[in-house]
Amino acid sequence: AQKITQTQPGMFVQEKEAVTLDCTYDTSDPSYGLFWYKQPSSGEMIFLIYQGSYDQQNATEGRYSLNFQKARKSANLVISASQLGDSAMYFCAMREGGNTGFQKLVFGTGTRLLVSP
Amino acid sequence: DGGITQSPKYLFRKEGQNVTLSCEQNLNHDAMYWYRQDPGQGLRLIYYSQIVNDFQKGDIAEGYSVSREKKESFPLTVTSAQKNPTAFYLCASSIRDTFSGNTIYFGEGSWLTVV
Repeated sequence: AQKITQTQPGMFVQEKEAVTLDCTYDTSDPSYGLFWYKQPSSGEMIFLIYQGSYDQQNATEGRYSLNFQKARKSANLVISASQLGDSAMYFCAMREGGNTGFQKLVFGTGTRLLVSP
Repeated sequence: DGGITQSPKYLFRKEGQNVTLSCEQNLNHDAMYWYRQDPGQGLRLIYYSQIVNDFQKGDIAEGYSVSREKKESFPLTVTSAQKNPTAFYLCASSIRDTFSGNTIYFGEGSWLTVV
């Protein structure tokens, strides 16, 4: 079964607007972590934001925030004030299991974001 | 600077040949990973290693082999048994502290093409 689902293959947004990238997940483990990565055309994976399953507040990192709705099993990424440099692939990923130090991640299929002037 | 170095960036392989992708890290991380990415898809785990001289198969290990003789190095061999090896390969490493989200680091990737 798909553990991470990203239903938006592509998204378009105008510069300076906000955009939400959807991510739903499936796990029976009470302890898990959710990640968002950005992958520009050069290929490297750039870490954006992390949310732990026990974190009480939604994670924020600069212009990135994670809308974590545990009951719905969703972890949407919100990018505020989009910039042209935000155009890239975005991946949602999940780590199952407790804090063992072993970060095995399961990735979604990604959403391609295009920011227009 | 600390980080993960993958080489080569681009590699062409003839059918029937084995090729080895290099991954070196100077972050003193215990765990290392290899992921494969196909066009329009997410990353899939090939192999991972939590300590030196130990490694486990991931979700798509068939046709691949690895070694972990040194903490800093985790080379991946794509063997001739891998039927569709053309893909983008990413190496990663992580520390044992999982209270911070930014604990898995990726290399810049290697593009492998079968010709």
